[in-house]
Amino acid sequence: GAVVSQHPSWVICKSGTSVKIECRSLDFQATTMFWYRQFPKQSLMLMATSNEGSKATYEQGVEKDKFLINHASLTLSTLTVTSAHPEDSSFYICSAEKRGGETQYFGPGTRLLVL
Amino acid sequence: EDKVVQSPLSLVVHEGDTVTLNCSYEVTNFRSLLWYKQEKKAPTFLFMLTSSGIEKKSGRLSSILDKKELFSILNITATQTGDSAVYLCAVETPSGNTPLVFGKGTRLSVIA
Repeated sequence: GAVVSQHPSWVICKSGTSVKIECRSLDFQATTMFWYRQFPKQSLMLMATSNEGSKATYEQGVEKDKFLINHASLTLSTLTVTSAHPEDSSFYICSAEKRGGETQYFGPGTRLLVL
Repeated sequence: EDKVVQSPLSLVVHEGDTVTLNCSYEVTNFRSLLWYKQEKKAPTFLFMLTSSGIEKKSGRLSSILDKKELFSILNITATQTGDSAVYLCAVETPSGNTPLVFGKGTRLSVIA
């Protein structure tokens, strides 16, 4: 149980385009979803926390207009990287938390490469 | 289907105890195994293991990988209350639909 999926797994795009990444909780309702960015051999950097039906809370230094987050339902959150640039190339990971729960369930990540 | 299984799910020990956390995996293609410590929200990177039998150490923490038996262990000696956290194991795969497969984590509580 508690499976989280991400789509797509890998994406290569041209600079200036926008990319949407989906995060879904497949067998539970996720009241809170988290979006992380990871660089090799480094800790996961929390970008934002999203609660269903409300605006996402962004961490300091993360541009909300650049990384648009929508938590439209209890099973889906999306991260849109707008006008992507090569420096946005990274590994984006989402996690989901059940209502009242403390455990985060992690998705498999999405590798983004911006050319 | 790629999967990572951690055990135990939860563990309570006294300060000074030594603990061993387990991570076993089944993946189609293996690149590396990662250990993280999650205290609040964002997991903190601990180790990356790619080769069998080579122990990695950082202070009281150490980890080793067995690619033949498909598992890794994370050891914490002389535990302190600050070691209380969820410890996550993840396996990185170079291809396929799941670039990173996370285990469910082991919740460690160290009591004084």
